[in-house]
Amino acid sequence: NAGVTQTPKFQVLKTGQSMTLQCAQDMNHNSMYWYRQDPGMGLRLIYYSASEGTTDKGEVPNGYNVSRLNKREFSLRLESAAPSQTSVYFCASSELRTETYNEQFFGPGTRLTVL
Amino acid sequence: GQQVMQIPQYQHVQEGEDFTTYCNSSTTLSNIQWYKQRPGGHPVFLIQLVKSGEVKKQKRLTFQFGEAKKNSSLHITATQTTDVGTYFCAGGGYNKLIFGAGTRLAVHP
Repeated sequence: NAGVTQTPKFQVLKTGQSMTLQCAQDMNHNSMYWYRQDPGMGLRLIYYSASEGTTDKGEVPNGYNVSRLNKREFSLRLESAAPSQTSVYFCASSELRTETYNEQFFGPGTRLTVL
Repeated sequence: GQQVMQIPQYQHVQEGEDFTTYCNSSTTLSNIQWYKQRPGGHPVFLIQLVKSGEVKKQKRLTFQFGEAKKNSSLHITATQTTDVGTYFCAGGGYNKLIFGAGTRLAVHP
């Protein structure tokens, strides 16, 4: 099993350009998440999808959109990239086995630079 | 909104010394999780604590969840160079986690 995969690994954009970050998981998990990681700020939740067909905003959703394409895939789109969106983006998935157990599995990340 | 604070931000130790990182939440948590991220890598799940006052051990790592379920700690005994990385705590809700900013551990041989 590949676990959680993300593409691309690296990307450089100019201000105003758009792009989509792709994420897929092969663990049959219901829930998927997008985080951004900035130095000294830990992981901040952008959007999440508790199950196929649903998406919800996280802590920092402005400037992003998401699509839960099917149970396996969850994409993150930047419509008009800004330098403030320079960050490392992680996708994660989890299976809600009980109300309190939600271990998350992370992909390798996408390192995005916006010039 | 809910916040999870983690201290210290950074610690460097000599190999063989002990290390502790602390996590505090502004609200009561249903659970607390700990993750480790190696330099250049992605977060990897270490453990989850659910019960008030719970203590769990993994070899040299000891995890504690406070009685009020608002704080937690991770203690590493006799650090090794393989312990290098950033340790994150994350407070659990049903569908999502709130991560602390992490403690970066450097171990000097």
